[in-house]
Amino acid sequence: AQSVTQLGSHVSVSEGALVLLRCNYSSSVPPYLFWYVQYPNQGLQLLLKYTSAATLVKGINGFEAEFKKSETSFHLTKPSAHMSDAAEYFCAVSDRESNYQLIWGAGTKLIIKP
Amino acid sequence: DAGVIQSPRHEVTEMGQEVTLRCKPISGHDYLFWYRQTMMRGLELLIYFNNNVPIDDSGMPEDRFSAKMPNASFSTLKIQPSEPRDSAVYFCASSSIPYEQYFGPGTRLTVT
Repeated sequence: AQSVTQLGSHVSVSEGALVLLRCNYSSSVPPYLFWYVQYPNQGLQLLLKYTSAATLVKGINGFEAEFKKSETSFHLTKPSAHMSDAAEYFCAVSDRESNYQLIWGAGTKLIIKP
Repeated sequence: DAGVIQSPRHEVTEMGQEVTLRCKPISGHDYLFWYRQTMMRGLELLIYFNNNVPIDDSGMPEDRFSAKMPNASFSTLKIQPSEPRDSAVYFCASSSIPYEQYFGPGTRLTVT
């Protein structure tokens, strides 16, 4: 069965510092991988997706993620954090076995220190 | 497009009352999802529809919960009777591809 593990329920970085949010998945067939972002008091929105094209995927607001099959990882990065990046970030996997429905990670809350 | 529309945005009700949450998906989307989000349990898929037909309701907590989609532009999630443990934020999402979901702003339900 598919699953998603996000390391760290909370990650705190200083403004201007590198953001790294970790996501590992399990899937027995080629997966599609996603990061969604949830700003306070809002619904989730798609940040970026991997659907078997380029392994380095760029998303909105300067975020990117790299699919590493050997490590079963899809970590999210941003070179320089902004205060506006404070939000909760969800990693999700989708594949043929799940009928392409999303299997969600538990989420990581990103805290930006001034 | 206005995006996914949910109403009400906030609902406070007493235990035992019936609660109805409403959702209007994005026009042209043929998938509709209902989620519940709590601090304790995170984001949970309750049920999803494809072309107005319920496909998977295995996430519906119990018989007190029911969902309908009478047409392509409207869905309801009903809780009867409501209990304090139902307090959560309920999201509706729609999509034309199952994994690219567009979420509404959510309904914050408080049951006292």
